[in-house]
Order: sequence, then C-alpha cells, then structure tokens
Amino acid sequence: GQNIDQPTEMTATEGAIVQINCTYQTSGFNGLFWYQQHAGEAPTFLSYNVLDGLEEKGRFSSFLSRSKGYSYLLLKELQMKDSASYLCAVRDGNYQLIWGAGTKLIIKP
Amino acid sequence: IAGITQAPTSQILAAGRRMTLRCTQDMRHNAMYWYRQDLGLGLRLIHYSNTAGTTGKGEVPDGYSVSRANTDDFPLTLASAVPSQTSVYFCASSEGAKNIQYFGAGTRLSVL
Repeated sequence: GQNIDQPTEMTATEGAIVQINCTYQTSGFNGLFWYQQHAGEAPTFLSYNVLDGLEEKGRFSSFLSRSKGYSYLLLKELQMKDSASYLCAVRDGNYQLIWGAGTKLIIKP
Repeated sequence: IAGITQAPTSQILAAGRRMTLRCTQDMRHNAMYWYRQDLGLGLRLIHYSNTAGTTGKGEVPDGYSVSRANTDDFPLTLASAVPSQTSVYFCASSEGAKNIQYFGAGTRLSVL
C-alpha cells in the first residue's frame, strides 16, 4: 500500500530552526508537496519538489531525496505564527495526491 | 469571490437526511477535488473531476456523489447521511504543470 509518514507533533522555540521529516512509499512518484494548515483553517501551499535537492523560499526550505523516499521541511527564524500543522503529500503514479497525517508544530516563546 | 468558496461553513445534520455541500471557484481551474479530513488521518480524496463533464472516484467515495456541470461548480452530495460522515470537508482546485491544489475554507459537518 501507499504510505506517508511524518511525526505527529514537534515543539520548538521562537527564533530557532526546526526540521520536519517526511518519508514515503508510493506507487510511482510525480512530485512532493508541503502545505501549512493553521487550526480550523484550510491547507495552504508552501513548496513543491520533483527533483532531488533543496528548494529555498525565504525562511522555508524543502529537501527531496527520491532514492531514499525522504523529504524534509526546514523552518528558520521561527515565529509564533508558524505554529500550525505541516502536511506532506506525494503525487503518485496516477497523479493523485497521497497525504500524510500532518505534523503539529508548537512554537514556545 | 476570490478563490474557492464553500458553503455552508458548518452544519449539524440528522442521520438519514440528504445534504449537498457547495463548492464554487473563480480561478477557471479545470481540476477540482473533494476531501475529508479526520483527526489523526491525512486528507482523503472522496471524488475528483479533471474537467467539466467528467468525475472520478477517490479513496473513500462510498455514500457520496458529485457532479460537474460547469467549470466553476463542484457540489458534493450525501444521499443519506450517517454518523461516520462527521468530518471536515475541503474542496480544492488545481491547474498548471505542477498541479498545485488550492483549498476552500472547509465545511464542518456533524451527523447525529
């Protein structure tokens, strides 16, 4: 079966750096997405990786290794507003998105 | 309207009743999707539509139906609601080579 694994919850300190990992096993691969979801709100797009390597976008970076079935989202200079759930999703061989359960990130002052 | 609009925002429904969740987008995206989100689980695809006039079944289609009469609207119908359909429902649309999905604000449905 297809599977996306990410930690359920992480805690970090304001101003610090945090890395959220995602491992996947899917039937085919056509890209990996990271979304941010604040409590009670809709998911919003953060990043997209289809080739191996690091994609940087401001304070957020996303890394992909297709051979290892692994990605991470790196958040720098954490702010209180970064408290949210972070969803990893993989587009499989049928071009459907398979979603992880999300990682709840708690930022402490 | 800007983006995707879902209605109602929330609803309490008696079991056995019929309910239609509405979704409208103004981005002229070809593809649209319905997901449900339950605590501790990832978003699960219910139905999708790659273009107006076509629909397909996702991971959890039983008990739900959709239609896509035009590009903008993609309603989701629960023919006879059951308590296990209590969930948050998100509509999304996508376009372009990356097929990035954009979500509506969601409908919180409780079936009692």
